[in-house]
Amino acid sequence: GQQLNQSPQSMFIQEGEDVSMNCTSSSIFNTWLWYKQEPGEGPVLLIALYKAGELTSNGRLTAQFGITRKDSFLNISASIPSDVGIYFCAGDGDSNYQLIWGAGTKLIIKP
Amino acid sequence: DAMVIQNPRYQVTQFGKPVTLSCSQTLNHNVMYWYQQKSSQAPKLLFHYYDKDFNNEADTPDNFQSRRPNTSFCFLDIRSPGLGDAAMYLCATSRDRDSLLEQYFGPGTRLTVT
Repeated sequence: GQQLNQSPQSMFIQEGEDVSMNCTSSSIFNTWLWYKQEPGEGPVLLIALYKAGELTSNGRLTAQFGITRKDSFLNISASIPSDVGIYFCAGDGDSNYQLIWGAGTKLIIKP
Repeated sequence: DAMVIQNPRYQVTQFGKPVTLSCSQTLNHNVMYWYQQKSSQAPKLLFHYYDKDFNNEADTPDNFQSRRPNTSFCFLDIRSPGLGDAAMYLCATSRDRDSLLEQYFGPGTRLTVT
């Protein structure tokens, strides 16, 4: 079945740093989504991408749908303490309602 | 604000004692989902409703049932919880068939089984 490889698994960052994470697959995806989940809360949809090559921003967040349709990245510029959480990528699965999820990237702020 | 609400946020039940988790939404979305999420893992889809049509995932145990009495409410019933059912349960919604992948999640109910 389809799988998403998300990296890195965790990141230790200092406030103000830029952050980059990505998802790759051996399969083609038609949709990529990026979610953020804070401890004890549900995932929040950050960005949805529908076209190969599409680059979309949401405040300090920028995500791109790779040209090959097999990858996507998420960048966060000038990180702040409230950026901590787990970031998940997700793509369209075998059905039109099913999301295939990456394993998540945990973002931690260095004290 | 339009939103997805889950009650309770924390639920403790005994091994084998039936439990019901509830979800309501003010988004007026046609599609509602139930996910199970275990620690540090991605959410796992259990089932979803498109309007009143119920769709079960193939690997969802029979122990898990769901009801959707109207557009706004959806319930997850666990008939005989086992220790392995301890998890965060997430409800999500999508507007309609043209946007099934844009799913909006509630805050979750953390279930503990003693």
